[in-house]
Amino acid sequence: DTGVSQDPRHKITKRGQNVTFRCDPISEHNRLYWYRQTLGQGPEFLTYFQNEAQLEKSRLLSDRFSAERPKGSFSTLEIQRTEQGDSAMYLCASSLETSNQPQHFGDGTRLSIL
Amino acid sequence: GNSVTQMEGPVTLSEEAFLTINCTYTATGYPSLFWYVQYPGEGLQLLLKATKADDKGSNKGFEATYRKETTSFHLEKGSVQVSDSAVYFCALSDPGGYQKVTFGTGTKLQVIP
Repeated sequence: DTGVSQDPRHKITKRGQNVTFRCDPISEHNRLYWYRQTLGQGPEFLTYFQNEAQLEKSRLLSDRFSAERPKGSFSTLEIQRTEQGDSAMYLCASSLETSNQPQHFGDGTRLSIL
Repeated sequence: GNSVTQMEGPVTLSEEAFLTINCTYTATGYPSLFWYVQYPGEGLQLLLKATKADDKGSNKGFEATYRKETTSFHLEKGSVQVSDSAVYFCALSDPGGYQKVTFGTGTKLQVIP
């Protein structure tokens, strides 16, 4: 069990640029979640995948955000035309499909918009 | 919708002091309850969980009991150490559906020697 891996750990970019983050879940986990955490707050749910299917999206996920999990393994989260308000920690989590299984979190990608 | 309320921090304690961090929740149905811990610069680690009323979750000397009647899940530890300094998040997951997690705002704990 190598844990949930996220890349990059830090991303600094100028406003208006596009960014993409990657998440590699624990290998046998078919559920994958993305969360956003701003300073001093708890993580907020963004989106959920079961295998390759994106089954739920939060209203926080504007049309500038897109997430994929093409083969049901790793996932990417892309933000287009970044804005200052996108600065946050983006966390990925995975879990087994059986009920009451806890989510295992990666160390996150910290995004800073200049 | 679901929500979690936890006591605001920061909480500053001396080493070996008793810790309580209060957490209450609002949810439909019977959610699972969790405490996660976040060390500086890291992601969240599951500390303990409870899946039904009166369950007690415990790990590393921390405990929390699922109290349905008071909709609470307070975190306790009898004797804190400097290494326990971190931010603690109370959370719940939807009982059905996709089990997305709703988090509280976190409580920062600082333990001084």
